[in-house]
Amino acid sequence: DGGITQSPKYLFRKEGQNVTLSCEQNLNHDAMYWYRQDPGQGLRLIYYSQIVNDFQKGDIAEGYSVSREKKESFPLTVTSAQKNPTAFYLCASSRPMDTEAFFGQGTRLTVV
Amino acid sequence: AQTVTQSQPEMSVQEAETVTLSCTYDTSESDYYLFWYKQPPSRQMILVIRQEAYKQQNATENRFSVNFQKAAKSFSLKISDSQLGDAAMYFCAYRSAIMGGANSKLTFGKGITLSVRP
Repeated sequence: DGGITQSPKYLFRKEGQNVTLSCEQNLNHDAMYWYRQDPGQGLRLIYYSQIVNDFQKGDIAEGYSVSREKKESFPLTVTSAQKNPTAFYLCASSRPMDTEAFFGQGTRLTVV
Repeated sequence: AQTVTQSQPEMSVQEAETVTLSCTYDTSESDYYLFWYKQPPSRQMILVIRQEAYKQQNATENRFSVNFQKAAKSFSLKISDSQLGDAAMYFCAYRSAIMGGANSKLTFGKGITLSVRP
């Protein structure tokens, strides 16, 4: 079945460590996105990528980095520079001319 | 920049009754898309309904319908015959109709938690 897979579902990180969240899609979508969800905040865009080897900052990119070496994959690294990384992270993808975005099941990151 | 506002953080409805969730937005664009997404306890985001701004007719999907008021920049979701499975967080979202680049991103409201009483 086609879809978006995020892993792991739960992730714990010690302060000062970088951690990478995985996002893989087999929908053949060109565009991929990372959103952060906090209670009472809705979803906020971290980074997005329209094509391979190209990506752009979203509204809250500080402390995060991404890569897009393959069409299917768009990993997000939460660096130690991110002051408040504990949150729920959602990955999404879409076709360029399509309005609908498809979401993964998310990764809950907790800093301990 | 576009903004989406959901001013009600929580709502409750009796099973089998009707409930309306409110959403307002602000944009200078004339053509765009509006969405309602459902996020159940599993946290999987599910598209409930979509409205194209150029269409005057309100979108309907089974028990879900919208009241789209373009001049007022209002986009409410009506759930009829509420079921226990409708209990979730609902997000209103905006997307520009201009394709490519940052225009393809979704701008979300803060969400509303809907509970359904048996």
